[in-house]
Amino acid sequence: EDQVTQSPEALRLQEGESSSLNCSYTVSGLRGLFWYRQDPGKGPEFLFTLYSAGEEKEKERLKATLTKKESFLHITAPKPEDSATYLCAVQALFHASGGSYIPTFGRGTSLIVHP
Amino acid sequence: DTEVTQTPKHLVMGMTNKKSLKCEQHMGHRAMYWYKQKAKKPPELMFVYSYEKLSINESVPSRFSPECPNSSLLNLHLHALQPEDSALYLCASSLGTDMNTEAFFGQGTRLTVV
Repeated sequence: EDQVTQSPEALRLQEGESSSLNCSYTVSGLRGLFWYRQDPGKGPEFLFTLYSAGEEKEKERLKATLTKKESFLHITAPKPEDSATYLCAVQALFHASGGSYIPTFGRGTSLIVHP
Repeated sequence: DTEVTQTPKHLVMGMTNKKSLKCEQHMGHRAMYWYKQKAKKPPELMFVYSYEKLSINESVPSRFSPECPNSSLLNLHLHALQPEDSALYLCASSLGTDMNTEAFFGQGTRLTVV
């Protein structure tokens, strides 16, 4: 069965303290891996799409990387406004769907950045 | 423009009420989704529409009834819900379920069943 596992479940950082979030996956026929940011009570906000091993994408203090088994979201010198839950989703063939590729989410990492 | 608009933002309904959630996008996307999210859990897929036809129903109880009137609109009709159905309901859209593209989400409807 396809699985998406994110770690750690929660992460507390001091402002400026860089760190990485992990998303490991076991899927057949990965079509893409997505990172989203979600603030409490809001919908997920799209950050990045990664398609192949070795690919990297950057946006401000965030950098996403992809290998054949996992993805990392690196946060450099975070600020309190980076506090959110970060969700990873994989786009893979959905079971018994007749060929549909649907995003399946991990449980997320809750990040808190203290000033 | 990557906006998906959901209304209402908040909804409180009794167990005997009938209400509807609405979702709209004007990005030309042909796949639209309903997800349900409980606190501190990931979004859980409910329904997928592809080219205005229901393509995936994840064994959702019949008290939830989706409708896709046209390529820009998605509704979720609610009837005789239970308190455990209280959650954040998220609508999303993407270019298509046969394409390797990201889904964009609305801000959600916070539903409380009393």
